[in-house]
Amino acid sequence: GAGVSQSPRYKVAKRGQDVALRCDPISGHVSLFWYQQALGQGPEFLTYFQNEAQLDKSGLPSDRFFAERPEGSVSTLKIQRTQQEDSAVYLCASSAPGLDGRNTEAFFGQGTRLTVV
Amino acid sequence: GQQLNQSPQSMFIQEGEDVSMNCTSSSIFNTWLWYKQDPGEGPVLLIALYKAGELTSNGRLTAQFGITRKDSFLNISASIPSDVGIYFCAGGTSYGKLTFGQGTILTVHP
Repeated sequence: GAGVSQSPRYKVAKRGQDVALRCDPISGHVSLFWYQQALGQGPEFLTYFQNEAQLDKSGLPSDRFFAERPEGSVSTLKIQRTQQEDSAVYLCASSAPGLDGRNTEAFFGQGTRLTVV
Repeated sequence: GQQLNQSPQSMFIQEGEDVSMNCTSSSIFNTWLWYKQDPGEGPVLLIALYKAGELTSNGRLTAQFGITRKDSFLNISASIPSDVGIYFCAGGTSYGKLTFGQGTILTVHP
C-alpha cells in the first residue's frame, strides 16, 4: 500500500481480555517500530524489528506485551490480560535503509486507539 | 520512559506571526526530527536533520540540529490557520529508534 496501515483503528477491551493489533508497513521497508502514545504525551518506543528479527524490545512495559513479525512484513502487537493503564494509542512506523545504510525517516500509521474498560 | 524537554507546551498566536519551539536532551542523538500530529492521525514528518550544526528549511519551516547534538529548534514563519496542531521533536538513534518530546500545541487565530 501507499502508507503504513494499522487495524483496527479503535478497540475497546474489557479488563483482562487479550488484544491483537496489526500493522502493515510500507512495502519493502525493512525496519518496523511500535510506539505507545498516552493521552497528551509524545509517543514512547516499545519495540523494533529489522525484517523478522526483533532487535530491541527494551520499551515493552511488561511481559504481558508481545510483538512478532514472522515473515518480515506484517507485525502484530499482542497485549495479554489488558489493564486500564494499557489504554493508549498504539502507533506503528516503518522505514527503509538509505544508500549509506542509515535508516531513512520513519513513516507512521494512523494508530490504534485502545480503551480498556 | 525518557522524553525530551520540549518548550513551550502551548502557543496561541495570530495568523502571520512567526513561531519558535525547541527541544533539549541530556543524551546525544544521531538525528533530530520534527513531526506534526493532527487529532486522530499519526505523526507526519516535517523536517529531518542528520548532522550537528545543520540548518534545514522546508518551505516556511526552518530547523537546526544543535552543535552539541543535544538540542534542536523549529521555526515556522508567517503562520497560517492550517499550521494548527501538535508539534513533536524527536531524537533518533543510528537504527531509527525515536525518543519524543512532550509536544507543543499550536493554536493560530485568524
